[in-house]
Order: sequence, then C-alpha cells, then structure tokens
Amino acid sequence: EVQLVESGGGLVQPGGSLRLSCAASGFSFSSYGMSWVRQAPGKGLEWVSYISSGISTIYYADSVKGRFTISRDNAKNSLYLEMNSLRDEDTAVYYCATGSPAAMTQPGYYFGSWGQGTLVTVSS
Amino acid sequence: DIQMTQSPSSLSASVGDRVTITCRASQSIRIYLNWYQQKSGKAPKLLMHAASSLQNGVPSRFSGSGSGTDFTLTISSLQPEDFATYYCQQSNSAPPSFGQGTKLEIK
Repeated sequence: EVQLVESGGGLVQPGGSLRLSCAASGFSFSSYGMSWVRQAPGKGLEWVSYISSGISTIYYADSVKGRFTISRDNAKNSLYLEMNSLRDEDTAVYYCATGSPAAMTQPGYYFGSWGQGTLVTVSS
Repeated sequence: DIQMTQSPSSLSASVGDRVTITCRASQSIRIYLNWYQQKSGKAPKLLMHAASSLQNGVPSRFSGSGSGTDFTLTISSLQPEDFATYYCQQSNSAPPSFGQGTKLEIK
C-alpha cells in the first residue's frame, strides 16, 4: 500500500523559512516523479512543484519560483520542499503526491496517491 | 497556461439523484482530464483519468466523458458517501492545473 507522510509544517513569520518532508513507502519511490500540491484554507488545489524520478527535471509554479526548492533522496525514500521568503499567501496545507508512471511533461499525467498534508501558516 | 473552469461551484442534491458536473478548459486538452474527490479534512482521491478511465475501486456509478475543451463527471445515483468536493485537472501540458472545485451538498 502506498503511504506518503508529510511533516515539517508549522507557524512561521512572513519572510521566514520552512522545510517540508515527505516519507514514502509501499512503492518503488525512485521510479516515480513526485510533486507538491497545496491548498489554501477554504480554497482549491494548486500544483507547486515537481521533481522527476532521476532528479533531472524540476518544475515550479510561477507563484513560488525563486523562493521554493524541491529535492529528493531516493536512498531515503524522501521528498523535500525548502520554502524561503514565505508570504501570507503561502499559507496552505501542503500535500506530497505521486504521479502516474509517466513524467509530468507527458500528456496523461495524474496524481495517483496523496499524503495527508501538513499545514503551513505564514503570519506575524 | 491552461485555465480550468468548473460549473456549478456548488450543488445541492438528494441521495439517489443523478448529478452532472462540468469542466471546461481554456484550450483543447484532447482527453487529458482527471477528476478527484475530496472529502472534508482529507486529501484528494483520484477518481478518473483520461476523461473516462475509472480508477480501481471507484464505484461504477461514477462516469466521465468529453474531449477537447468540455468534460463532464456524472454520478448516476448519489450515495451518502459521495457528498464531497470534486476537482478536475488537465494533464495535456505542464504545468498541471485544477478547476476551482464543485462542492456537492446534501439537499
């Protein structure tokens, strides 16, 4: 059974930093691209960032480009999101999600499994 | 980037009703449209990919159709566990984008 467990969320002041982690199990982590998707309170879903299985391809949403850094450690079955220069509008539940076997650049990509999410609150 | 628009934003229905949710893309996405269900306080769950391919374990009362820019998700006979928020997501081209959601409530 696929399991994704996020951690690292919390309260941070505007301009601050936070590092999220996602521990994966139950599937061949090193074979799948991974994403972060967020959801602001009471709002819809927003894709944030993607990293390919071999780390060769990384994408960011324009809203976080230059501030967030995605990474992964295939030996530890773990995904990370380093968030810097945080803003009020970054307040959200952050989910890690697996994709379909294809890369995100391929048509037909879907988010097959999701973690339970970790809440990031940016506030003074 | 491709914009996705769902309608309606909210919908009240009764157990046993047939319900249809619409998703429109700002440009053609061929058949590359996914549907998710999200219950309150929970992570989204993939229902369907490629417009009409049901995920394993999803009840057959859920069906999807469409191509190009217009898509529909239909629930043939609403069950109590179906009351949730539904999102479409295009996967024709990066970056992936979601509709704003349709909240399905009990009448």
